[in-house]
Amino acid sequence: GENVEQHPSTLSVQEGDSAVIKCTYSDSASNYFPWYKQELGKRPQLIIDIRSNVGEKKDQRIAVTLNKTAKHFSLHITETQPEDSAVYFCAAPKTGSARQLTFGSGTQLTVLP
Amino acid sequence: GAVVSQHPSWVICKSGTSVKIECRSLDFQATTMFWYRQFPKQSLMLMATSNEGSKATYEQGVEKDKFLINHASLTLSTLTVTSAHPEDSSFYICSARAPELVWDTQYFGPGTRLTVL
Repeated sequence: GENVEQHPSTLSVQEGDSAVIKCTYSDSASNYFPWYKQELGKRPQLIIDIRSNVGEKKDQRIAVTLNKTAKHFSLHITETQPEDSAVYFCAAPKTGSARQLTFGSGTQLTVLP
Repeated sequence: GAVVSQHPSWVICKSGTSVKIECRSLDFQATTMFWYRQFPKQSLMLMATSNEGSKATYEQGVEKDKFLINHASLTLSTLTVTSAHPEDSSFYICSARAPELVWDTQYFGPGTRLTVL
């Protein structure tokens, strides 16, 4: 099945700096890649997603890039703020399923004031 | 739009009892809902896919007789943990797809914290 690897597992940055989280996937047929933010004890919230027909998508301080050849996609957060501190999960469609998602292992982002 | 609720938000039960968790899509019809389990500091693990009007599809290693799923309407799916044991203690989260809104996106409920004593 689809294997989604996420790195790093933890990331600490100074407020105002940028943060980058990377994921790789194994199924070349995958065509949808969402990123979720989960605060402690809360639900995962979709922050941005990208489909395979584009290489980059931006939404204010958040961007996602996709390299289909290398089968990896990355989350970029610029001008980080303390409220960006959370666990971030990437996901990709499960192999053979257009509906189910396989999640990465998560990245604990800490933004230091 | 695309709001998903879960009830209860937390529950404590004795070993051997059953617990029912409800997942509702409040402002859209969800033909497909998903049930995940999340242990502390771990990722979301898909347990089963719930389709309205048909049997749920369970992931490998998930006992369908222990985790009963019913998707009786386009806005409600329930997960019943039968004969709960302490190792079933976890954070259970549902999600729902709304193809008429955005084809791929899953919207998550707030989760249910289950503690089995």
